[in-house]
Amino acid sequence: DAGITQSPRHKVTETGTPVTLRCHQTENHRYMYWYRQDPGHGLRLIHYSYGVKDTDKGEVSDGYSVSRSKTEDFLLTLESATSSQTSVYFCAISEVAGTANYNEQFFGPGTRLTVL
Amino acid sequence: AQKVTQAQTEISVVEKEDVTLDCVYETRDTTYYLFWYKQPPSGELVFLIRRNSFDEQNEISGRYSWNFQKSTSSFNFTITASQVVDSAVYFCALSGDNAGNMLTFGGGTRLMVKP
Repeated sequence: DAGITQSPRHKVTETGTPVTLRCHQTENHRYMYWYRQDPGHGLRLIHYSYGVKDTDKGEVSDGYSVSRSKTEDFLLTLESATSSQTSVYFCAISEVAGTANYNEQFFGPGTRLTVL
Repeated sequence: AQKVTQAQTEISVVEKEDVTLDCVYETRDTTYYLFWYKQPPSGELVFLIRRNSFDEQNEISGRYSWNFQKSTSSFNFTITASQVVDSAVYFCALSGDNAGNMLTFGGGTRLMVKP
């Protein structure tokens, strides 16, 4: 299994509070991603990173920011959480072109976030 | 824009039945990759298969098989002789010719295999 951990695994917070989710990998993969999973929508990409300090927006980036100061860590921040951000958040990693596992994404265990 | 459609939201079968999960995709890219992931009740996402757009050969892995047809933009997944442990949500996903390897997922199909 790919070495990907997410913390916290569960969090309950109140509307308007800031929340930061952490993804940590031990695979030294270049790409890291944050997705949210909601019923009927599958997984939708929030933000991704293609290197240290290199990030870009995904399909549902409004209300989220990310940072990557080290290869192994990718942080997702909800500046002011809203009830619509209640979801399960998955981190994923992927290798670069030219490697055997190129393009496959391997997922962390997920973080269940509830915003009251 | 890319799109993946899994029209079957839920399927229920009895153990040992064969079952096919449908996946239809849309992309304008000539190079793309298709994937299937399994999400068991425990919640993790398990990678099952990757197929690139230049390889239309069907693939078989044990009780699992995949049928890729570019002519119909479909990448269907068949489980032969289903087992209770196959009960899960299955996601089809597409990655186009983009620098970030970004995946577009279908909505998922929940498969329930009853004993």
